[in-house]
Amino acid sequence: QKEVEQNSGPLSVPEGAIASLNCTYSDRVSQSFFWYRQYSGKSPELIMSIYSNGDKEDGRFTAQLNKASQYVSLLIRDSQPSDSATYLCAVLNTGGFKTIFGAGTRLFVKA
Amino acid sequence: NAGVTQTPKFQVLKTGQSMTLQCAQDMNHNSMYWYRQDPGMGLRLIYYSASEGTTDKGEVPNGYNVSRLNKREFSLRLESAAPSQTSVYFCASSERGTTEAFFGQGTRLTVV
Repeated sequence: QKEVEQNSGPLSVPEGAIASLNCTYSDRVSQSFFWYRQYSGKSPELIMSIYSNGDKEDGRFTAQLNKASQYVSLLIRDSQPSDSATYLCAVLNTGGFKTIFGAGTRLFVKA
Repeated sequence: NAGVTQTPKFQVLKTGQSMTLQCAQDMNHNSMYWYRQDPGMGLRLIYYSASEGTTDKGEVPNGYNVSRLNKREFSLRLESAAPSQTSVYFCASSERGTTEAFFGQGTRLTVV
């Protein structure tokens, strides 16, 4: 079992819709979770971090964490064509030394 | 503010050649990482350095060596390049224990 798993997609949504991206992780005691966005040919950049159960909102982005289910999600409201990218889920390991990434979900937002 | 700087950006090697990828960060971060990214595989950790003077293997260390030269610099060496090492390599750094990782621009390596 991979440490961090994501649906590779592609996920296609119309402009203005909500995009929902999901991630599961295997290390039950992980404490820090991140979502990165990566445009084609570019390096990953952080868009959200979440550390406790529940929802965390930042503009059009909402990260959701459920530690009991070992599940992290990212919701993008009012999706824009500029949101088209690969979204990487990342989990910081227990010791805080290694960040493990999922394979990423490709998102396409159609104008 | 340069952040994380990687060199070179592109490289073509012949099988069996060696090379070193350089990485430097100016954010005074303790931890540094080398990842490779292949299509459909996401980012896979090669080696990491939790602090100056320490290095540890990640998920895919075979065929690579690293050196944490000082707090700023973390290099990745391919001793005898193989076609399977064709990939995009990213260096990253972070503060230990929190923490967001900041990435360099990447090195696109092709081994022929």
